[in-house]
Amino acid sequence: SQKIEQNSEALNIQEGKTATLTCNYTNYSPAYLQWYRQDPGRGPVFLLLIRENEKEKRKERLKVTFDTTLKQSLFHITASQPADSATYLCALLTSGTYKYIFGTGTRLKVLA
Amino acid sequence: EPEVTQTPSHQVTQMGQEVILRCVPISNHLYFYWYRQILGQKVEFLVSFYNNEISEKSEIFDDQFSVERPDGSNFTLKIRSTKLEDSAMYFCASSVEAANTGELFFGEGSRLTVL
Repeated sequence: SQKIEQNSEALNIQEGKTATLTCNYTNYSPAYLQWYRQDPGRGPVFLLLIRENEKEKRKERLKVTFDTTLKQSLFHITASQPADSATYLCALLTSGTYKYIFGTGTRLKVLA
Repeated sequence: EPEVTQTPSHQVTQMGQEVILRCVPISNHLYFYWYRQILGQKVEFLVSFYNNEISEKSEIFDDQFSVERPDGSNFTLKIRSTKLEDSAMYFCASSVEAANTGELFFGEGSRLTVL
């Protein structure tokens, strides 16, 4: 069956360190992968999109990698800050469809 | 900054009642979506809408659900006869481009509680 797995356990890191979040998928062939941030009780907010033919994408302190062989995306936040504390969602889109399928999300807590 | 707005923010209803959730997408966007999130669970796709018709829907989006864009600005989700398991946060989203190239802009959600 199709699955998108993110670390279900919360990730606690110290301020200033790099946070690395994982998104693994099975039985998908995504053409596009997005990362979103979701704060409690709020709607998801778009962060980055990466295409299947791209290995890496960067935006300020954020970096996303996409390995279609390993069926995995890694999301990095460098120089993390307490304000980065939130749940981070990955979402996949297969070519020819109109729906992004979301993972369960990983809760990140950055400790001051 | 343009945003997707949703009303109501919270609705409580009795099982079997009809509910309409309303959304105003960003004005120049062409693609519209409804997602839902049951408390503590993942964001689930319900339906996508383009050019005044449904482009894709999930297994969740059964005959009890319908969507409409009645006046060129509002985008509504109707649940005809609510069930307890419909209790969730419902998110509207829109995108300017086709879903496979553009980011989704989400509203703040409408929390539906079915008693």
